[in-house]
Amino acid sequence: SQQGEEDPQALSIQEGENATMNCSYKTSINNLQWYRQNSGRGLVHLILIRSNEREKHSGRLRVTLDTSKKSSSLLITASRAADTASYFCATALRGGTSYGKLTFGQGTILTVHP
Amino acid sequence: KAGVTQTPRYLIKTRGQQVTLSCSPISGHRSVSWYQQTPGQGLQFLFEYFSETQRNKGNFPGRFSGRQFSNSRSEMNVSTLELGDSALYLCASSLELALPGTDTQYFGPGTRLTVL
Repeated sequence: SQQGEEDPQALSIQEGENATMNCSYKTSINNLQWYRQNSGRGLVHLILIRSNEREKHSGRLRVTLDTSKKSSSLLITASRAADTASYFCATALRGGTSYGKLTFGQGTILTVHP
Repeated sequence: KAGVTQTPRYLIKTRGQQVTLSCSPISGHRSVSWYQQTPGQGLQFLFEYFSETQRNKGNFPGRFSGRQFSNSRSEMNVSTLELGDSALYLCASSLELALPGTDTQYFGPGTRLTVL
């Protein structure tokens, strides 16, 4: 089963509104990364948050991490039509089997209407 | 720096054939990971290479294999193709200077494989 589960599966908003996506995971992690993917293309890295961090910002993006609840959220403020994409959380697990392996959630499809 | 590049971008094969996909990591990155993305299974980890050695492998049959060269470029091979192998194949590179699993992975644009 997937390590990360994302909620909601789909989100439809108007330009200028904020979009919040949530991710839950099951086991201890080294870090959690958020990616964006447009129409089946490659993944674009957005933010990496380490297990000892609680919040990170990058431009209009804010990511939080709650290791006690094994959950993370991605907030996109003042959304634009160009933010329309699928968003994935991915976890790098602790332990010897973590070499190069990210475990992805199923993703949230975000649609921003002009 | 140039990003991760993958060739070819699109590929059409028939069942039973084999295919080789190529990935060139970001300059200086020594770790290359491969993923398969399908609508049904999502993004799944195939394997990871570091300094020409496979360090980690996902739950895929032996028909899926890979290798890494001394310049960190990597190839993956799928033999005896099946219809279910149709997918977007993504590779990612990372520095991996410190502890494993601590660095950002940067993805290439992917190779879209269609098996007829």
